[in-house]
Amino acid sequence: QTVVTQEPSFSVSPGGTVTLTCGLSSDSVSTTYYPSWYQQTPGRAPRTLIYNTNTRSSGVPDRFSGSILGNKAALTITGAQAHDESDYYCMLYMGGGIRVFGGGTKLTVL
Amino acid sequence: EVQLLESGGGSVQPGGSLRLSCAASGFTFSSYAMSWVRQAPGEGLEWVSGISTSVGSTYHAKSVVGRFTISRENSKNTLYLQMKSLRADDTAVYYCAKHEDGSGYAHYFDSWGQGTLVTVSS
Repeated sequence: QTVVTQEPSFSVSPGGTVTLTCGLSSDSVSTTYYPSWYQQTPGRAPRTLIYNTNTRSSGVPDRFSGSILGNKAALTITGAQAHDESDYYCMLYMGGGIRVFGGGTKLTVL
Repeated sequence: EVQLLESGGGSVQPGGSLRLSCAASGFTFSSYAMSWVRQAPGEGLEWVSGISTSVGSTYHAKSVVGRFTISRENSKNTLYLQMKSLRADDTAVYYCAKHEDGSGYAHYFDSWGQGTLVTVSS
């Protein structure tokens, strides 16, 4: 059973920088898993932020960036703003048409 | 502008069936792979099923294999999810999502619908 791991929650101060991570229970995350990141506020549909590890989706500010840090995918938010307070999900492509989401990270900006 | 409009959600008893639809517009539907993603109340996102532009290439999460079937009707710009043998843990908002290309092995979603709620309860 493949498990994609994310921090359940994280807190950042306004204007601060935070890095959320996305790992695998049984392997290191690399670009071959094509990590993507999605932002979701309560009651709304997800929004695509980052795809193919580090490519920003159209309209996403450059405060959001993606990378591989060690054996995990990472989403870094610099200059955090109040409206960045959301749930963030990573998704990995496992091959064979199968995709798996992480459990999500609830980000608080305070 | 890409638009994805889900419909067909509602309440159903355990063991029952339901068919969800997703009407697509603003892009050449037949050229893109599509998926269904669900979210149980208070829980995270779960990829459920995907389909390439080729109708024969479908993929399902282990949790729904044998119970859910994804399909598409390119002439009607519509994606479907046929769900049977529904269980209480299938209760969720179901989102339709567009992939970045037509392959069944497409890697991410670039557009999302607003979702439709399915409630499985006696």
